[in-house]
Amino acid sequence: QKEVEQNSGPLSVPEGAIASLNCTYSDRGSQSFFWYRQYSGKSPELIMSIYSNGDKEDGRFTAQLNKASQYVSLLIRDSQPSDSATYLCAVKGTYKYIFGTGTRLKVLA
Amino acid sequence: EAQVTQNPRYLITVTGKKLTVTCSQNMNHEYMSWYRQDPGLGLRQIYYSMNVEVTDKGDVPEGYKVSRKEKRNFPLILESPSPNQTSLYFCASSFTSGGNEQFFGPGTRLTVL
Repeated sequence: QKEVEQNSGPLSVPEGAIASLNCTYSDRGSQSFFWYRQYSGKSPELIMSIYSNGDKEDGRFTAQLNKASQYVSLLIRDSQPSDSATYLCAVKGTYKYIFGTGTRLKVLA
Repeated sequence: EAQVTQNPRYLITVTGKKLTVTCSQNMNHEYMSWYRQDPGLGLRQIYYSMNVEVTDKGDVPEGYKVSRKEKRNFPLILESPSPNQTSLYFCASSFTSGGNEQFFGPGTRLTVL
C-alpha cells in the first residue's frame, strides 16, 4: 500500500472553474502536510502547508485537512491555464517526507 | 536571494565513474534532503540530514552516500554509478522546528550510460 496516494489524473477543468485535488495518507502519526506545484522538468514549488484539522486559505488556494479520515485536499478557485501542472501532496512524519506521485491538472482555456 | 543551489544541472557519465552532486542553501536551514524523481514513482527520499554530522537513510539509499560537514552544504555521492541511477535529482532544505516547509533546488538530471 502506498503511503501517500493521489489520483494521477489528468484532471481537466475549464478556465474559471474550481479544481479539487485529493490525497490520502497511511501514517496516522503524520504531523505536517504540504501541497507543491511542479511544472514539467522544473522543481517542486510550495503552494500550501497545513498542520491542523480544518481549512487554510491563501488567495485562490484552500487546503483542507481531516486527520481522522487521513485525508488532505487542495481547492483551486478561478482556475487559470497557468495552473496547469502536476500537484504533489507531501506528508511529513517525525523525520521523513513522503510524496505522492502527483495529480496532473489541465485547465482548459 | 534565499535559495537552494545544485551543481551540475546536467550530467552524463559512464557506469562506475564516481561523481558528486553538490547542494548548498543560504537560509540557515537545519534539515537537508536528497530526492530522486522517476516517472510513475514520484519523488523518493534518498538521504536526509537533521543537522551538521547527523544523516540518515531515506527510502532509497542504496548506491548513494552523503555527508554534512557544514550546515549549508549537503553533497550527494555516487561512488559507482549504475544505469538504474539515471534520474532527476532534487536537493531540498527546511527548518526543523516551526514551519518545516521544504524548499527545492533546481534539480540535476543525471544519465548513467
